[in-house]
Amino acid sequence: DADVTQTPRNRITKTGKRIMLECSQTKGHDRMYWYRQDPGLGLRLIYYSFDVKDINKGEISDGYSVSRQAQAKFSLSLESAIPNQTALYFCATSDARGGSETQYFGPGTRLLVL
Amino acid sequence: GDSVTQMEGPVTLSEEAFLTINCTYTATGYPSLFWYVQYPGEGLQLLLKATKADDKGSNKGFEATYRKETTSFHLEKGSVQVSDSAVYFCALSLNTGGFKTIFGAGTRLFVKA
Repeated sequence: DADVTQTPRNRITKTGKRIMLECSQTKGHDRMYWYRQDPGLGLRLIYYSFDVKDINKGEISDGYSVSRQAQAKFSLSLESAIPNQTALYFCATSDARGGSETQYFGPGTRLLVL
Repeated sequence: GDSVTQMEGPVTLSEEAFLTINCTYTATGYPSLFWYVQYPGEGLQLLLKATKADDKGSNKGFEATYRKETTSFHLEKGSVQVSDSAVYFCALSLNTGGFKTIFGAGTRLFVKA
């Protein structure tokens, strides 16, 4: 079974709708992240969380919110989706105890906002 | 500010050719450096990493050396295979003055049989 899972894998929605993307992990890591990937732009960090009570904004947090329901679960919400939020979204985890922040990624959620 | 710059793709090679993907970085502290690979339809996965100057990361025939003097971490492989076709991302991680991981834009590699 995959260590980092994301649901749904694909989603089509309309402008103005609220949607939630979910991420679960079985790696036991404290740190979790949400990124979006756009062609030619690499990955950009939306939000990150270092433990259940810690939430931090990343580079592009406007229009997004997150919830860390448990150590293993980190959800991303688009309160009112807009077409330029069409992208591939990745959840990732890391364990910084080794000191070098290797990240482990889920398979991604492809979101299309019409 | 801190940044990662990698060569634009796509890069197209024939099987068994030599591969180099250039990566340079700008960082205010002493970052760890990474190469991640993304196969079609999948998330990124760690290919190799180096945590200090002059370290060499290696995996699956790929290598990269952390060069502090040239602020570079170029990815190399002596003989590519069709199965190496993927997108490769260079990244840095800093934990000074707050957490930061920065990814390059990615380089798509096509290997022809």
